[in-house]
Amino acid sequence: AQSVSQHNHHVILSEAASLELGCNYSYGGTVNLFWYVQYPGQHLQLLLKYFSGDPLVKGIKGFEAEFIKSKFSFNLRKPSVQWSDTAEYFCAVNAIGTGGFKTIFGAGTRLFVKA
Amino acid sequence: DVKVTQSSRYLVKRTGEKVFLECVQDMDHENMFWYRQDPGLGLRLIYFSYDVKMKEKGDIPEGYSVSREKKERFSLILESASTNQTSMYLCASSSPDRESYGYTFGSGTRLTVV
Repeated sequence: AQSVSQHNHHVILSEAASLELGCNYSYGGTVNLFWYVQYPGQHLQLLLKYFSGDPLVKGIKGFEAEFIKSKFSFNLRKPSVQWSDTAEYFCAVNAIGTGGFKTIFGAGTRLFVKA
Repeated sequence: DVKVTQSSRYLVKRTGEKVFLECVQDMDHENMFWYRQDPGLGLRLIYFSYDVKMKEKGDIPEGYSVSREKKERFSLILESASTNQTSMYLCASSSPDRESYGYTFGSGTRLTVV
């Protein structure tokens, strides 16, 4: 069965620090990969996605993620975080060919950025 | 932009009540989903629907049912609410021919069962 692991449940950083949130998945087939973000009091929204091509994908607000197929990983990075990046981040994996039915979400990582 | 609207932001219900959570999307998406979100557990799929009147169980369907009479509307029903169903409920929609586009989520309904 598919599963998604996010390495940290809580991360606390100071402004300008670099961020890397780990995500590993288990699925042997072809996948689409996503990071979603939920800012306090707001709904979940798509941050970035990978479905083919360049394994380094760039999303909104300076975030990027790298798909490493051999490691089944899709880690999220940002070189310099801001206080406004305080949010909960979810990694998600969708198995291609299942009509979008099998998107599995990780448990989430709550990021707090100190001003 | 796709909009997914959930009818209530906050609900408080009593144990044993029948609860209806409504979700409407405006982009003619075939797929609709109900998740519950709990701290440390992420999002867990309750039910999904890929067409009108079609429904499939997700990972945690016990205690829930769904209804999809129209393409744009997907309702989640708690037949007899219990305290362990206190949670944030999220509705989402997607298009199966654009799997790579991800989901669009509603704002969520925070349900408290007392």
